[in-house]
Order: sequence, then structure tokens, then C-alpha cells
Amino acid sequence: DAGITQSPRHKVTETGTPVTLRCHQTENHRYMYWYRQDPGHGLRLIHYSYGVKDTDKGEVSDGYSVSRSKTEDFLLTLESATSSQTSVYFCASTGTNSYEQYFGPGTRLTVT
Amino acid sequence: QQPVQSPQAVILREGEDAVINCSSSKALYSVHWYRQKHGEAPVFLMILLKGGEQKGHEKISASFNEKKQQSSLYLTASQLSYSGTYFCGTETISGGSNYKLTFGKGTLLTVNP
Repeated sequence: DAGITQSPRHKVTETGTPVTLRCHQTENHRYMYWYRQDPGHGLRLIHYSYGVKDTDKGEVSDGYSVSRSKTEDFLLTLESATSSQTSVYFCASTGTNSYEQYFGPGTRLTVT
Repeated sequence: QQPVQSPQAVILREGEDAVINCSSSKALYSVHWYRQKHGEAPVFLMILLKGGEQKGHEKISASFNEKKQQSSLYLTASQLSYSGTYFCGTETISGGSNYKLTFGKGTLLTVNP
């Protein structure tokens, strides 16, 4: 299995506070992705990265920002958390010509 | 726009077959299939590429109709371990080359003894 971890695994925070989720992979994969998963919506892409410092928006990017300063780390930031951002967040990565996206274990975020 | 999966849910008895469909409104370069068990991360099953190439697990089969922008996943002689939510992820021709996927809402498959 690909080495991809997420931290924290669980977090409860209050509305209006900033939150940063971390994704770390040890596979030297070029591409990394952040998804959110909500009942009835499946997996929706928030942001993705196609290299160090190269990122782009996904379909549900409002209220989120990302950064990638190293190949192995991809950070997702909620600048001011809202209750609508309560969700399970998955990070994934893949290499060039690999096709398969390897998912991290997920982070369950609750915004109260 | 998310691809549409059908059915939303299916219940089988062990040994029965099932078909899960995935349909897109956009021209597709590839279709990916993932399975997610409750409380776990999605796991790759297979990919079907424009032009007919397939890669994935040997015990799972799927088809890709490029003209209709549709894919079907065939689960035969189902086992208890097949239970989970199945997602198709589509990579569109217009979406660039960053392996970016748009996932459907999922199909919940339950296999009972």
C-alpha cells in the first residue's frame, strides 16, 4: 500500500476559527488531491496539485485554500470554518502514468 | 458535473450478480472504479481508458462505451466481501492531463449470506 497519511484524524472546531489539515505521502507522487465526502454527494474535489507550488481549484473550492511547498506534503486550510464545512476530508495522490489514486485514511472535521 | 450512477443501492444474496452503471454528459478519456467500505478510504478497482485499454483487479470486469460516455461494472458470483459503496470517477477529455477525477454519488452494494 502507498504510504499516505492525514493529520489530524479527527477534529472539532468552532465556527470562525482557522483549520489546517495535513496530507503526507512517501511515494514521491507528483499529483495530490483533496476531496470532501458528504452523505448523498459522494466524493467532491476541493483542490488539487500537479507539482510543488502548482495547484488548482476543484468543483467545491470556495472557503478553502491549499499549499504545497514540498512534494510529500499538501495542506488544506479553512480560513474561517463554517458549519457547512463539517465533513470527512480525504487526501489522495498518484504518480505520472500510475492511474490509481491512493487515498489517505480521512479526517473527520466537525464545525460547531 | 458529476457522472450519474445507477442504481443508488442494491441488495444481493451471496452468489448473485450485479451491474452498476455510470453515465457522463461529457466526452470521457477514462473511467475509474473505486470501492469504499464503511469507515474506510476508497480503494482502486480498475480503470478503463479511451481506446479499450483496461487495468485493474482480475476478478472484476467492466465495460466502457466511449460513444455513449457510459461505463458498467460487473460483479459476478458476489461474495460478502463485495459489500461497500462503489464509485465511478470520470476523467474528461477537456479536463486536462492532471488525472483529475469527478466522482459519482456512489452505489451502495449489500451482499447478504
